[in-house]
Amino acid sequence: DAGVTQSPTHLIKTRGQQVTLRCSPKSGHDTVSWYQQALGQGPQFIFQYYEEEERQRGNFPDRFSGHQFPNYSSELNVNALLLGDSALYLCASRGTPLSTDTQYFGPGTRLTVL
Amino acid sequence: AQSVAQPEDQVNVAEGNPLTVKCTYSVSGNPYLFWYVQYPNRGLQFLLKYITGDNLVKGSYGFEAEFNKSQTSFHLKKPSALVSDSALYFCAVRGEGSSNTGKLIFGQGTTLQVKP
Repeated sequence: DAGVTQSPTHLIKTRGQQVTLRCSPKSGHDTVSWYQQALGQGPQFIFQYYEEEERQRGNFPDRFSGHQFPNYSSELNVNALLLGDSALYLCASRGTPLSTDTQYFGPGTRLTVL
Repeated sequence: AQSVAQPEDQVNVAEGNPLTVKCTYSVSGNPYLFWYVQYPNRGLQFLLKYITGDNLVKGSYGFEAEFNKSQTSFHLKKPSALVSDSALYFCAVRGEGSSNTGKLIFGQGTTLQVKP
């Protein structure tokens, strides 16, 4: 049973560029959330996708956008990259969007913005 | 607003001794609480959760946590620490309200160092 997978593992971009990160949820899960974890910090919630729509959003600017596909996989897009966007980006999946189900995390994508 | 605090940046214990990693929370309703562990260059691994029921919750790898409503605490414990338990531990609470139940609010994390 595959867990949550993310790609790529590492990414280096320059300021002003755009980036796309990818996530495949755990088997049987249909809800995907994205988190940003800056160095030395706890993860911060970006948004959650369910039924191919953004359902909930944290305090992140519109430069952060996402998409969910019919197979429940998801993408996180960040436009006009800033140095402060350098972080570990974590994807988490769960079985249903509004329950107390546990969120299971992928290994993350380490984004470095130069 | 909901919040989680982990008052210790680092906890040091000797192998074989009991360990405690502290967490306090602030929510207006009933809390849904979680503990995760993060090893270097890895994602978060789920350890245990409290939703309702017994105040002592048992989880993975011999970990347990005690929910204390009066003290608004959810401390992580293990009777006998292993060197392999050395990692970064996060406490989290689920967001409240229909627009926030999908998110977890994390503490700053506590580094656990277990020495042989």
